[in-house]
Amino acid sequence: DAGITQSPRHKVTETGTPVTLRCHQTENHRYMYWYRQDPGHGLRLIHYSYGVKDTDKGEVSDGYSVSRSKTEDFLLTLESATSSQTSVYFCASGHRTDTQYFGPGTRLTVL
Amino acid sequence: AQSVTQLDSQVPVFEEAPVELRCNYSSSVSVYLFWYVQYPNQGLQLLLKYLSGSTLVKGINGFEAEFNKSQTSFHLRKPSVHISDTAEYFCAVTIAGTASKLTFGTGTRLQVTL
Repeated sequence: DAGITQSPRHKVTETGTPVTLRCHQTENHRYMYWYRQDPGHGLRLIHYSYGVKDTDKGEVSDGYSVSRSKTEDFLLTLESATSSQTSVYFCASGHRTDTQYFGPGTRLTVL
Repeated sequence: AQSVTQLDSQVPVFEEAPVELRCNYSSSVSVYLFWYVQYPNQGLQLLLKYLSGSTLVKGINGFEAEFNKSQTSFHLRKPSVHISDTAEYFCAVTIAGTASKLTFGTGTRLQVTL
C-alpha cells in the first residue's frame, strides 16, 4: 500500500467552526486530491493539487479551501463548517498518468 | 465531460457463484478506466485498470474486467466469489493520458452469503 495517512480519522465539530484535515504521503507523488464520499453519490472531487502551491477546484469546491506547501502534505480547510459538510473525506495521491492511491479516510460530523 | 453509470446499487450472490458488476461510461474522447474496492471502514484499493492494449484486464483477488468500446462498458467479473469479497465496488473514468480528475460511479455493494 502507498504510504498515505490522514488526520484526524474522526472529528465532531459544531456549525460555524473552522476545520482542517491533513493528508500526508511518503511516495513523492506530484498529484494529490481531496474527495468526499456520500451515500448515493460515490466519491466527488473537492480540490486537487498538481504541485507545491499549485491547486485547482474540483466538482464540489464551494466552502472548501486547500493548501500545499510541501510535496508530502495537502491540507483541506472548511472555513466555517456546515451540516451539509458532514461526510467521509478521502485523500489520494498519484502520478499524472496512472493510478491514484487512497488514504484511510476521515469521518467528519458537523452538528 | 465524462460520466459513469453503475447500474446495480446492490448485488447479492452466494459464495462460489460467479458475479458480474456492470459499469457503463460516457465520453467523447478516449478514456482510462478503473475499478476500486472499498472494504468496510477503509479507503479505496485499486482492483484493476485499463489504460491501453488488451481489452481484457486482470486484477487482484481473481477479478477481471473487459473494456468494450462499442458498448462503452467496463464490466467487472469474478468466476467464483468468496465471503471476503463482500465490499463496495466503484468504477471510475478519466480522460486518456491523465489519471487526474477521476469521475466515480455511485458504487455497487456486493454482498456474498453462504
